[in-house]
Amino acid sequence: KAGVTQTPRYLIKTRGQQVTLSCSPISGHRSVSWYQQTPGQGLQFLFEYFSETQRNKGNFPGRFSGRQFSNSRSEMNVSTLELGDSALYLCASSLNTRDLQETQYFGPGTRLLVL
Amino acid sequence: GQNIDQPTEMTATEGAIVQINCTYQTSGFNGLFWYQQHAGEAPTFLSYNVLDGLEEKGRFSSFLSRSKGYSYLLLKELQMKDSASYLCASMDSNYQLIWGAGTKLIIKP
Repeated sequence: KAGVTQTPRYLIKTRGQQVTLSCSPISGHRSVSWYQQTPGQGLQFLFEYFSETQRNKGNFPGRFSGRQFSNSRSEMNVSTLELGDSALYLCASSLNTRDLQETQYFGPGTRLLVL
Repeated sequence: GQNIDQPTEMTATEGAIVQINCTYQTSGFNGLFWYQQHAGEAPTFLSYNVLDGLEEKGRFSSFLSRSKGYSYLLLKELQMKDSASYLCASMDSNYQLIWGAGTKLIIKP
């Protein structure tokens, strides 16, 4: 079974631009969660999508948005990029995060650098 | 507020045992997860505890005390490949994972 894939793997943007990141979950998984990881901060939860609906949202500004398609693939968009948005963006998929003991499987991440 | 605390860095010797502690305060509790993350790679699942007690999986064990808001990950017979960051995460009442900053484990020969 193929794992979680994320594209692109690396991205360099400048302040003010916008970016779209893509995540393809493991086949059959309906839940996709997005996280931002920065050194010393750990993983910060952005949002979770389940069956094309945003089910949970973290404390990030409205510049961060996402969506999920009928095939469970998900995209996240960051508009008006700031230097502080430089981070590793990780996507994780699971069958359903609300089934206790259900493991989230992470993709390799997209490393975003904002100059 | 919600908070997960774990040591920033630990050092241990190959073949030895190390215990990585984690304390958590979350709004509600739906379980405690441990993940391993090698440098430059994605986190991979190690263990899940929702009931008090010790869960053993080969060289790795995880313990939970819900009344104390405390968990630990125990790694035995350490190998060089165990050098990684270990992430503790608590699932709150909204089924959202709240993550610690991770413990970087350095294994010395």
